[in-house]
Amino acid sequence: EPEVTQTPSHQVTQMGQEVILRCVPISNHLYFYWYRQILGQKVEFLVSFYNNEISEKSEIFDDQFSVERPDGSNFTLKIRSTKLEDSAMYFCASTRLQSPGELFFGEGSRLTVL
Amino acid sequence: GENVEQHPSTLSVQEGDSAVIKCTYSDSASNYFPWYKQELGKGPQLIIDIRSNVGEKKDQRIAVTLNKTAKHFSLHITETQPEDSAVYFCAATFSGSARQLTFGSGTQLTVLP
Repeated sequence: EPEVTQTPSHQVTQMGQEVILRCVPISNHLYFYWYRQILGQKVEFLVSFYNNEISEKSEIFDDQFSVERPDGSNFTLKIRSTKLEDSAMYFCASTRLQSPGELFFGEGSRLTVL
Repeated sequence: GENVEQHPSTLSVQEGDSAVIKCTYSDSASNYFPWYKQELGKGPQLIIDIRSNVGEKKDQRIAVTLNKTAKHFSLHITETQPEDSAVYFCAATFSGSARQLTFGSGTQLTVLP
C-alpha cells in the first residue's frame, strides 16, 4: 500500500540552527501538507502546497518556515533558525485531488531543539 | 476562530464493551468530519469520515454519527479489542478552507483485556 515517507525520524539541533525535514508524498497525490504536534497536544496545521506554491498557511508558519518541492518526488519543510518552541513532531501529509480533507500522514519527524 | 472540542480526554473500557467519543465544532458551514487513530510513535491514520450530507456512516465495528443542527459528531467503536487502544482525534474542515483540517485535542482510549 502506498505511503507517505518522512526523513529523518528524529533530529536534534541547537537553537538557531537551520533544519530541513523531508517528505516523499504518495505518488499520485497533488496536495501536500505539513502539520505539527507538540508533545501531548493536538495536531496543528502549518501549510498546504499545490501546483508548486503555498495554498494556505497558518499563523504558526511565519517567516522562519519555508516549503519547497525541489524535484518530482520530495517535499521539504525548512526552519531557518530554530527556537526551543519548535520542538515537536512534524507530520507530512498528502491528498488525492478529488478527496479534499482525506489526509494520508507520514510517521513524522521528531525535532528536538536544545 | 474555528474550533473543535473533543471529549473525553481519556477513556478506559473493558474488552468487548463499546466506546463513544464526542466532538463539537463551531462553524455551521463545516462539511467534512474525519476521525484519525494515532498509535504510539506513528502518524495519524484515517479510520472513518463523514460528510455533511450524511447523518451516519458505518464500517464494521466503527461508526460515526453527525448532528448538523447541534454541530456535533461522534465516533462509536463496538466490541472493542486491545488493539483499539490508541489516541483518537476528530477533525473538521471549515468554510473558506476546504483542505485544512482543524483537529480536536484527542482521546486516549485504553481497552482493558
